[in-house]
Amino acid sequence: DSGVTQTPKHLITATGQRVTLRCSPRSGDLSVYWYQQSLDQGLQFLIQYYNGEERAKGNILERFSAQQFPDLHSELNLSSLELGDSALYFCASSRSGTGSGNTIYFGEGSWLTVV
Amino acid sequence: AQSVSQHNHHVILSEAASLELGCNYSYGGTVNLFWYVQYPGQHLQLLLKYFSGDPLVKGIKGFEAEFIKSKFSFNLRKPSVQWSDTAEYFCAVNRESGGYNKLIFGAGTRLAVHP
Repeated sequence: DSGVTQTPKHLITATGQRVTLRCSPRSGDLSVYWYQQSLDQGLQFLIQYYNGEERAKGNILERFSAQQFPDLHSELNLSSLELGDSALYFCASSRSGTGSGNTIYFGEGSWLTVV
Repeated sequence: AQSVSQHNHHVILSEAASLELGCNYSYGGTVNLFWYVQYPGQHLQLLLKYFSGDPLVKGIKGFEAEFIKSKFSFNLRKPSVQWSDTAEYFCAVNRESGGYNKLIFGAGTRLAVHP
């Protein structure tokens, strides 16, 4: 158990819909990361937040957005869903957002299936 | 382009065989290096990490990796694999850029160990 908690574990929704994935970081971790894992794209970095502020953006679509709340939990919002958005979405956290020696721990992921 | 390369996409071994999975990265400067493992249907788990010091790093479950700076490599090894090592293995590089850490993954290597 990494200490990173994600909900829901599984989600099936229709095209065009909107879903929200939730992540609670490890206790004491200030930084949250979101990754997408799909068969054709592998593990793709989406976005990083540190103490409530966006720090880095990766391959995140405009239909997707995220935020980190004052209690440090984070939500990833996926809208206008397409079949290709079906993937495993991982949240990860780390103590800080910068500096060497920063280990990133992953949650169990949220399986999203778009039908 | 900056990248992390895992040259073996699929590896099939018999139990007790030795394992070496290659990982090369193309970033300059200071990097932190990681190997993560993903067992079937599970989340990413940290196997081992290199931040500094001894370039031979020992991780969990008998795995080790050697950082060779001149070759930009961080190969994963295990002297004798077990059936339970069947999983997907990801090399990752954490490079500080613009004041934040971004963990970039290789494409992964699927290891199948036959009894």
